Amino acid sequence: EPEVTQTPSHQVTQMGQEVILRCVPISNHLYFYWYRQILGQKVEFLVSFYNNEISEKSEIFDDQFSVERPDGSNFTLKIRSTKLEDSAMYFCASSVDRQNEKLFFGSGTQLSVL
Amino acid sequence: AQKITQTQPGMFVQEKEAVTLDCTYDTSDQSYGLFWYKQPSSGEMIFLIYQGSYDEQNATEGRYSLNFQKARKSANLVISASQLGDSAMYFCAMREYSSASKIIFGSGTRLSIRP
Repeated sequence: EPEVTQTPSHQVTQMGQEVILRCVPISNHLYFYWYRQILGQKVEFLVSFYNNEISEKSEIFDDQFSVERPDGSNFTLKIRSTKLEDSAMYFCASSVDRQNEKLFFGSGTQLSVL
Repeated sequence: AQKITQTQPGMFVQEKEAVTLDCTYDTSDQSYGLFWYKQPSSGEMIFLIYQGSYDEQNATEGRYSLNFQKARKSANLVISASQLGDSAMYFCAMREYSSASKIIFGSGTRLSIRP
């Protein structure tokens, strides 16, 4: 079965550094998402992306965050200047369309900001 | 605004028993979808079941069924004949089709199956 691939599985960074989290969505999917989950808490929506632009974003997704689909297969989340509170599991997800019944999630990137 | 409520932070169930995980939602949209995801200790998010707001039949997927009560805005997950491997975090989620592309998750229920 096709799957969403995320790299790296773990990322450790110093506060203030930039990080890029990478995702390869399923090839025929059109909608892409980033979610995050702080340890022990709920899964929070960050941003959705369609047709090479952001279709929706949450209040969490402030100016330090950006997303990009640089080459037609990768989908990246950049955090410009990391803070301690950015430490979380970051999940990429994709779906065929907006009304498809499910999102396919990647296995996540655990980001630790020291 | 969307809202998903899961009132059971944790549950313990004996192996082979059935278990119901509660979920209520709030939306002003007529068209929406409801989902359940399982998150084992390894961390991945596993899709379990989906119910569309216009579906007349309750969704079923193997041992999982969704008890959809539209008037009460509830979408409880029923797991029949629970197994040790069912121990995990379970998230209810919703997507409003008229406007948002995102899925919003509830706070989750941690299910522990006792042998």
